[in-house]
Amino acid sequence: AQSVAQPEDQVNVAEGNPLTVKCTYSVSGNPYLFWYVQYPNRGLQFLLKYITGDNLVKGSYGFEAEFNKSQTSFHLKKPSALVSDSALYFCAVRDIEAAGANNLFFGTGTRLTVIP
Amino acid sequence: DAGVIQSPRHEVTEMGQEVTLRCKPISGHDYLFWYRQTMMRGLELLIYFNNNVPIDDSGMPEDRFSAKMPNASFSTLKIQPSEPRDSAVYFCASSPQTGATGELFFGEGSRLTVL
Repeated sequence: AQSVAQPEDQVNVAEGNPLTVKCTYSVSGNPYLFWYVQYPNRGLQFLLKYITGDNLVKGSYGFEAEFNKSQTSFHLKKPSALVSDSALYFCAVRDIEAAGANNLFFGTGTRLTVIP
Repeated sequence: DAGVIQSPRHEVTEMGQEVTLRCKPISGHDYLFWYRQTMMRGLELLIYFNNNVPIDDSGMPEDRFSAKMPNASFSTLKIQPSEPRDSAVYFCASSPQTGATGELFFGEGSRLTVL
């Protein structure tokens, strides 16, 4: 079975400070990992993904994420937070060796608030 | 590209009524997904199609829910009869034929309220 955990429902950070949104995953095979952002009353927007290769993945709006296989983690990071980064962030995983490999399993989301 | 288009954006109905949600995927995308988002359960996959064929409908809650994809540019999710517990935001998403490496492109969602 595949699953994703986002241990923090809420993350607050001051504008200009670095931010981290945590994600851990569980799969039986190799994972494909994704981060999405959701602004109020909008659909989810793709930020970045890890498929293979370099463990540090760079994505949209200055975000990056690091794949750590030993810790089964894929934390989202940004060096300097903006107020406009305030949104709901979702981590998602595919287990490419599982049946229904095209399905994305989402975490419960982390609400990021950047304080001016 | 207009992106994934969903309608209606908002629907308020009474218990027992039929509800039909519509989705137009991005042209050329071979996969189409229906998700439901609630505060209690987060994002749940209901069903997904590949080349208009339903592949996995194990997330469809019960027989009151049905989904169709008559052609590559249109899909519907129907709830009949609707119940208050069906109140949620329903998202449609599409993905190109890149297999498991491809990201999903989401529509803006349809917010359903069943009174």
